[in-house]
Amino acid sequence: EDQVTQSPEALRLQEGESSSLNCSYTVSGLRGLFWYRQDPGKGPEFLFTLYSAGEEKEKERLKATLTKKESFLHITAPKPEDSATYLCAVQEGYNFNKFYFGSGTKLNVKP
Amino acid sequence: DTGVSQNPRHKITKRGQNVTFRCDPISEHNRLYWYRQTLGQGPEFLTYFQNEAQLEKSRLLSDRFSAERPKGSFSTLEIQRTEQGDSAMYLCASSPHGQGHAEAFFGQGTRLTVV
Repeated sequence: EDQVTQSPEALRLQEGESSSLNCSYTVSGLRGLFWYRQDPGKGPEFLFTLYSAGEEKEKERLKATLTKKESFLHITAPKPEDSATYLCAVQEGYNFNKFYFGSGTKLNVKP
Repeated sequence: DTGVSQNPRHKITKRGQNVTFRCDPISEHNRLYWYRQTLGQGPEFLTYFQNEAQLEKSRLLSDRFSAERPKGSFSTLEIQRTEQGDSAMYLCASSPHGQGHAEAFFGQGTRLTVV
């Protein structure tokens, strides 16, 4: 059973064309939801942690939001350097023992 | 550099050989995780340490895999009798102590190729 589902699998945008990535989750008692950026051949780079529904976090052109069932990563006026795979992960309840990851959304921003 | 450090970055080995990877977490991070990632997939949980204690191990982890974290500092992941299916990126992450800190910080990974 998949705890985390990300969509779309791949997204191609023109530079400046804003869009959103989706992460839906099915865990009992969300401890935290995490967004990471991963470049090819590299480890995931931490972006945001969201803890409760209604919470929002921003960093440059990225904004992450959280509801009770899903999270969105909004990308405003993306640039080619935003091209990467964006991963979503969750932790359940008070279990620090693991993160459940989605398969990621591969974003390609064309100049 | 104060991030998570993994060595080696790349490893090519013949099927049936043993390999060992090392992870040096961020200083004072007491939580350490190992994950495995194959192409086009998200990281898959392997095992978790809190200080030197291995508290959880994935059921997907066969008995050919073993991990240690002596003295609660660096960690090693050993794969015995490697198989082609073990080819993947092996990622280590660490996380600080405390209720207010949940996010994990990853190293650059060790890319294993079994030929």
